Amino acid sequence: DADVTQTPRNRITKTGKRIMLECSQTKGHDRMYWYRQDPGLGLRLIYYSFDVKDINKGEISDGYSVSRQAQAKFSLSLESAIPNQTALYFCATSGSATNEKLFFGSGTQLSVL
Amino acid sequence: GENVEQHPSTLSVQEGDSAVIKCTYSDSASNYFPWYKQELGKGPQLIIDIRSNVGEKKDQRIAVTLNKTAKHFSLHITETQPEDSAVYFCAASKSVNTGFQKLVFGTGTRLLVSP
Repeated sequence: DADVTQTPRNRITKTGKRIMLECSQTKGHDRMYWYRQDPGLGLRLIYYSFDVKDINKGEISDGYSVSRQAQAKFSLSLESAIPNQTALYFCATSGSATNEKLFFGSGTQLSVL
Repeated sequence: GENVEQHPSTLSVQEGDSAVIKCTYSDSASNYFPWYKQELGKGPQLIIDIRSNVGEKKDQRIAVTLNKTAKHFSLHITETQPEDSAVYFCAASKSVNTGFQKLVFGTGTRLLVSP
């Protein structure tokens, strides 16, 4: 079983709809992240969480919100999806020491029509 | 803030040849430089990393070099194999007071190794 699981793997939705992407992990890590990947732009950080009560904005948080329901669960919401939010979304986890490596899920491909 | 540039965007080599991917960074305070490999349909995986107090690090067929003066670092893959075909991302980060090092990723290099 995967250590970092993202659901759904693929989602097609319409402009204006609310969408939630879910992430769960079995690695026991405190830190969780949401990244967005666009062709030619690499990976950009949307939100990150150090623990259940600590949530922080990344470089591109506008239009997104997150919820850390438990140590193992971190969900990303698009309150009103727009076409330029079409992208591949990755959840990741890491330990709390300095320079801890990131463990990524397999991604959610989101298309907003 | 930090900016990481990565070249080339695509790289095609024959099996057995070497491949080199280069990255430059803008913030001289950056001190940690990981490389991630993303295979088709999967999330990125860390393959090697280097810290600013080291100039070179090797792990079997892969190596990373760092030139702090020029602010660039490179990934070297020798004796390439078809399973090396993937997208490779470089990244850079620096220590901040909270202990959290926010990684800034390059734009990725698609490596294709032909048999």
